[in-house]
Amino acid sequence: EAQVTQNPRYLITVTGKKLTVTCSQNMNHEYMSWYRQDPGLGLRQIYYSMNVEVTDKGDVPEGYKVSRKEKRNFPLILESPSPNQTSLYFCASSLVGNNSPLHFGNGTRLTVT
Amino acid sequence: AQSVAQPEDQVNVAEGNPLTVKCTYSVSGNPYLFWYVQYPNRGLQFLLKYITGDNLVKGSYGFEAEFNKSQTSFHLKKPSALVSDSALYFCAVRVIGNTGFQKLVFGTGTRLLVSP
Repeated sequence: EAQVTQNPRYLITVTGKKLTVTCSQNMNHEYMSWYRQDPGLGLRQIYYSMNVEVTDKGDVPEGYKVSRKEKRNFPLILESPSPNQTSLYFCASSLVGNNSPLHFGNGTRLTVT
Repeated sequence: AQSVAQPEDQVNVAEGNPLTVKCTYSVSGNPYLFWYVQYPNRGLQFLLKYITGDNLVKGSYGFEAEFNKSQTSFHLKKPSALVSDSALYFCAVRVIGNTGFQKLVFGTGTRLLVSP
């Protein structure tokens, strides 16, 4: 089954404790992206990647890091989480070009206390 | 700034009645517009897109959307709502980012509540 898999689904952590949210897709998509969803703000892009070793900042990259060492994986790293990073996070992937639709994971709800 | 706006936080409709979820856009050049739906505890799912051609676009689950250039709108519609259509709906527009790569910019979402 074609899918984008995020882990974990739920995560509660404390301020400053480094964490990684994993994302993997099995559709051989070149493009991958991370979004955060907050009430009243919709989805905002954090980082995206056009292919292996090619990443760039989205609209709200502060406090986050990403890497793209393999085509299928695109982990999101919070080196020192803060309470304002409490949010619902989504990973998405797509083919590049032809206005291909994004395929989303089921989300990771992160709470930073 | 290139963006989309969803003016309604929530839309309430009775089952069997037609529904409309509104979206307006602000872009330079030709707009490429999308609708996504989010069910509880799930990621967003693609419904339909407008790239060019017919102003009425048909999508998944019986949904359609009407592109109106003069009103800069792309409203989502369905002739007869189902209780199972209750979800959060996002309009999105493709824009060219600072690095020249295209990306989707999402609206703030509209919650659709269909009552039995």
